[in-house]
Amino acid sequence: DVKVTQSSRYLVKRTGEKVFLECVQDMDHENMFWYRQDPGLGLRLIYFSYDVKMKEKGDIPEGYSVSREKKERFSLILESASTNQTSMYLCASSKDASNQPQHFGDGTRLSIL
Amino acid sequence: GQSLEQPSEVTAVEGAIVQINCTYQTSGFYGLSWYQQHDGGAPTFLSYNALDGLEETGRFSSFLSRSDSYGYLLLQELQMKDSASYFCAVWQAGTALIFGKGTTLSVSS
Repeated sequence: DVKVTQSSRYLVKRTGEKVFLECVQDMDHENMFWYRQDPGLGLRLIYFSYDVKMKEKGDIPEGYSVSREKKERFSLILESASTNQTSMYLCASSKDASNQPQHFGDGTRLSIL
Repeated sequence: GQSLEQPSEVTAVEGAIVQINCTYQTSGFYGLSWYQQHDGGAPTFLSYNALDGLEETGRFSSFLSRSDSYGYLLLQELQMKDSASYFCAVWQAGTALIFGKGTTLSVSS
C-alpha cells in the first residue's frame, strides 16, 4: 500500500513565524501535491510538483512556497505565517501523468495564533 | 478558469440509492474522479471516468457525459458507513486535479 506521511498531525505556530510542513511518500511516485481544506471550500490546490526540483503554482500559492529536493519528499513552507493560513493541509502523491489515483496523507491541522 | 458544481448536502436512509451530481466548466478536460472523505480522515479514491458512460465498482457507480460536462456518483444499498463527504475532481491539461467543494452525505437508519 502507498504510504503518504505528513510530519505532524497538529501544529500551533505564531504569526510571522516561518513554518515547514513535511510530506514523504514511499512508493517512488513522480507527482506530489499540497492542498488546503477549509469548511465549505473543499480542497484547494496550493502547489504541485511533477519531478525533483520542479514546482508549479496551483490555485492559491500566495504566501506559500515549496521545496522538492528528493523524489520522496515535498515540503510546504509558510514564509511568514498569518492567521488566515489556519487550515487543514493535505499532501498527496500519484504515480503517473493521469494523477489517478491520488493518495493522501492524514493531514496537518495548522493553527496560527 | 475552471469550476465544479455539486450539491452541498444530501440525506438518505439505509438501503436507499443516492445520486450525487457534478457539473464542470474547464478547458483541456481529461477526466472526472470521485473521492470519499470521512470526518477526520484523508480523502480516498473511488473512481475515475475518462470516457463517456457508466463505471461500476461494487455498490458505487460513476457516470460521465463529456458533451454535457456532467457526471454523477451513484451509491446503492446505502449503509451508515457511507456517511461522508464526496468530492468530484477534474483532471485537465497542464495542471493537477481540481476538486469541487464537496457533498456531505448523511445516511440515517
